[in-house]
Amino acid sequence: QKEVEQNSGPLSVPEGAIASLNCTYSDRGSQSFFWYRQYSGKSPELIMFIYSNGDKEDGRFTAQLNKASQYVSLLIRDSQPSDSATYLCAVQGAQKLVFGQGTRLTINP
Amino acid sequence: DTAVSQTPKYLVTQMGNDKSIKCEQNLGHDTMYWYKQDSKKFLKIMFSYNNKELIINETVPNRFSPKSPDKAHLNLHINSLELGDSAVYFCASSPIRTYNEQFFGPGTRLTVL
Repeated sequence: QKEVEQNSGPLSVPEGAIASLNCTYSDRGSQSFFWYRQYSGKSPELIMFIYSNGDKEDGRFTAQLNKASQYVSLLIRDSQPSDSATYLCAVQGAQKLVFGQGTRLTINP
Repeated sequence: DTAVSQTPKYLVTQMGNDKSIKCEQNLGHDTMYWYKQDSKKFLKIMFSYNNKELIINETVPNRFSPKSPDKAHLNLHINSLELGDSAVYFCASSPIRTYNEQFFGPGTRLTVL
């Protein structure tokens, strides 16, 4: 079993809708969870982090964490074409981050 | 000002050659990393250094050797390049011992012919 799993997509969402990205992880001891956005040909950039169970909102982005189910998600409200990118879920491991394979998101105008 | 910089941005070379990639960060971070991202976008850590000390050395061939002359620099030297080394290599840094909020450089696209 992979340590961090994401649906590679592509996920296609109409402009203005909610995009929902999901991630599961295998290490029950993980405490910190991150979402990175990577535009094509660019480097990953941190957009959200969450440490506690529940929801964390930042503008149009909401991260959700359920440690019992070992599940992290990212919701993007009012999706814009500029949100089209690959979204990488990352989970803190032993002195490192472990990344999922990323979900490619396309927002259709 | 560029926070994490890498040179070169593109590297095209023949099999069997030796090449180096340089990385510098001006964020004052103590921890630096090298990642490899393959064609399927899978981002995997190779090495990390904390204040010039090697912290992580994942199962990477001995042909890859990192060097950290000071905490602001982490270079990657690759000997006897192979076709499978073709990938994008990212340098990153993070504040001391957090390992969490990492800032990535622009990447070096290595193509081995």
